[in-house]
Amino acid sequence: GAVVSQHPSWVICKSGTSVKIECRSLDFQATTMFWYRQFPKQSLMLMATSNEGSKATYEQGVEKDKFLINHASLTLSTLTVTSAHPEDSSFYICSARDPPTASGGSYEQYFGPGTRLTVT
Amino acid sequence: GQNIDQPTEMTATEGAIVQINCTYQTSGFNGLFWYQQHAGEAPTFLSYNVLDGLEEKGRFSSFLSRSKGYSYLLLKELQMKDSASYLCAVRDRRELSFGAGTTVTVRA
Repeated sequence: GAVVSQHPSWVICKSGTSVKIECRSLDFQATTMFWYRQFPKQSLMLMATSNEGSKATYEQGVEKDKFLINHASLTLSTLTVTSAHPEDSSFYICSARDPPTASGGSYEQYFGPGTRLTVT
Repeated sequence: GQNIDQPTEMTATEGAIVQINCTYQTSGFNGLFWYQQHAGEAPTFLSYNVLDGLEEKGRFSSFLSRSKGYSYLLLKELQMKDSASYLCAVRDRRELSFGAGTTVTVRA
């Protein structure tokens, strides 16, 4: 199956600083990427949908000015948590969709390994 | 959005069979997925159903009834490594939404 990578896998930062998380589709082009957040013992909550070359679509309750998403190429989307606070500590997971083309592929979503963010 | 319900926890013995049920309500149904997630890791894809019926893949099978808004994941010949959270996810026209997950504990 397709591979999605995330970097970093874990990060600790101080309150008030910003953190950037990268999500890459390694062997396919992803016009759409998704960012999820997961708190302990809870399910994945969709934060935003990132479309290459256009603005991200944020879910209700997610602050677009705090969680900046950039999808500048077909293989890279970034999530920047600005002015991080301890309540932003969570497991952030990206997912990329592999659209069907003449050479194959499907609308399956592939998940990155996740980034654990701890804000102190 | 979707309302997705699945049991919180299930416990079973190694070698046994466990069935995890999932019910959902959605507009514009476009497929149901099951994912396995070990603690601290990202979900991994298990199965996909878009038409009614049973999909079998090795020890794992998934069933879908669209008219009933119902699916189940069947795990056979349970192994200790199957201890994990199992997420039911439903896709509508735009996005994939997840249930809260069912934590399966396999005992020796």
